[in-house]
Amino acid sequence: EADIYQTPRYLVIGTGKKITLECSQTMGHDKMYWYQQDPGMELHLIHYSYGVNSTEKGDLSSESTVSRIRTEHFPLTLESARPSHTSQYLCASSEIAGKGSNEQFFGPGTRLTVL
Amino acid sequence: LAKTTQPISMDSYEGQEVNITCSHNNIATNDYITWYQQFPSQGPRFIIQGYKTKVTNEVASLFIPADRKSSTLSLPRVSLSDTAVYYCLVGDRGSTLGRLYFGRGTQLTVWP
Repeated sequence: EADIYQTPRYLVIGTGKKITLECSQTMGHDKMYWYQQDPGMELHLIHYSYGVNSTEKGDLSSESTVSRIRTEHFPLTLESARPSHTSQYLCASSEIAGKGSNEQFFGPGTRLTVL
Repeated sequence: LAKTTQPISMDSYEGQEVNITCSHNNIATNDYITWYQQFPSQGPRFIIQGYKTKVTNEVASLFIPADRKSSTLSLPRVSLSDTAVYYCLVGDRGSTLGRLYFGRGTQLTVWP
């Protein structure tokens, strides 16, 4: 089993609130990712990180921000939640490049509902 | 990022072998082919990865022809618990980017 954790699993919040979705991994992976997925739809990469103090925006524009101060921790923040942010957010991590695998380990996800 | 094409959905019955084919006409020389499985309300899970010919593990087999423009995931004797979405991805596993493109996948439904 992959050691990657996300909290909370479910969050219902009102418009305008600031929220932080937590993601932690204990595998020592350098690379971490945030995906957004609506029911029955594809995963969209919204943020990724190569390592500490390295973050990049993904393929799908997102109003969220991320930080990577520690290797094991990759939180995602929404400064002002809106109903359009309602979705499932999945965090993943993978090993250092060149280790010979495209395997990304996924957390259980956070289901966010903004009222 | 190279994109892939796979059927939107497939149906099967318990005990049958299921083959899901994926097209990746623009696959690059350094790209590997990787398949993931996703159950509802969970994150995707790695199934198998290969470069060419055939790869087999305890869960599935992956067949890749010589031109590598397609691949087939084979699930032997499926059960109800194999009902899930299956994603085919291509990517350079040696890349520092490590980014993968997840399409919509194939919804496999296994019936009793």
